Amino acid sequence: DARVTQTPRHKVTEMGQEVTMRCQPILGHNTVFWYRQTMMQGLELLAYFRNRAPLDDSGMPKDRFSAEMPDATLATLKIQPSEPRDSAVYFCASGLEVGELFFGEGSRLTVL
Amino acid sequence: AQSVTQLGSHVSVSEGALVLLRCNYSSSVPPYLFWYVQYPNQGLQLLLKYTTGATLVKGINGFEAEFKKSETSFHLTKPSAHMSDAAEYFCAVSDRQSSASKIIFGSGTRLSIRP
Repeated sequence: DARVTQTPRHKVTEMGQEVTMRCQPILGHNTVFWYRQTMMQGLELLAYFRNRAPLDDSGMPKDRFSAEMPDATLATLKIQPSEPRDSAVYFCASGLEVGELFFGEGSRLTVL
Repeated sequence: AQSVTQLGSHVSVSEGALVLLRCNYSSSVPPYLFWYVQYPNQGLQLLLKYTTGATLVKGINGFEAEFKKSETSFHLTKPSAHMSDAAEYFCAVSDRQSSASKIIFGSGTRLSIRP
């Protein structure tokens, strides 16, 4: 059963620490999206990739966030340094070019 | 720029009653439209999508939505609500003209079902 896998599922860290979230997209999907979900802001698009190339990361705070796809089976989202306002659930989703997205179960981040 | 507006952050209906979740979109080009559902502590999953062709689209779990260009709407309906329909529902829009379209989500509507 193909699915998007995200790690870690939960992360509690202290302000200033580096956080790395990982995503394994579904094999064969050529687009990968990172979304952040909070009660206040809802679902925000942070960045997305097509064929591993970054297409749009305008939703991401550039000074502390970075997103990469080192290979077709791995996407990473890094926060350095982390701040309490980064506390949220981060979702990775993969899909084909214009079609349905398949979401992972999310990484719940708490920054103290 | 594309956007989606979902009217009503919370909708409550009785079991067996009609479900109607409203979505209006803004797009300078004909869009692709989607409805996703999110159950607690899970990621989103696709309910249905409109791309081309028939404007009334049917999805999983008995849901359907109708694309109305003149009203720029894509409302989600289900004739008879079930307790298991309680979840958060997101309308989304994508720019079909782009070769690498991003999907923009609305703010979501939480659906509660009363016994």
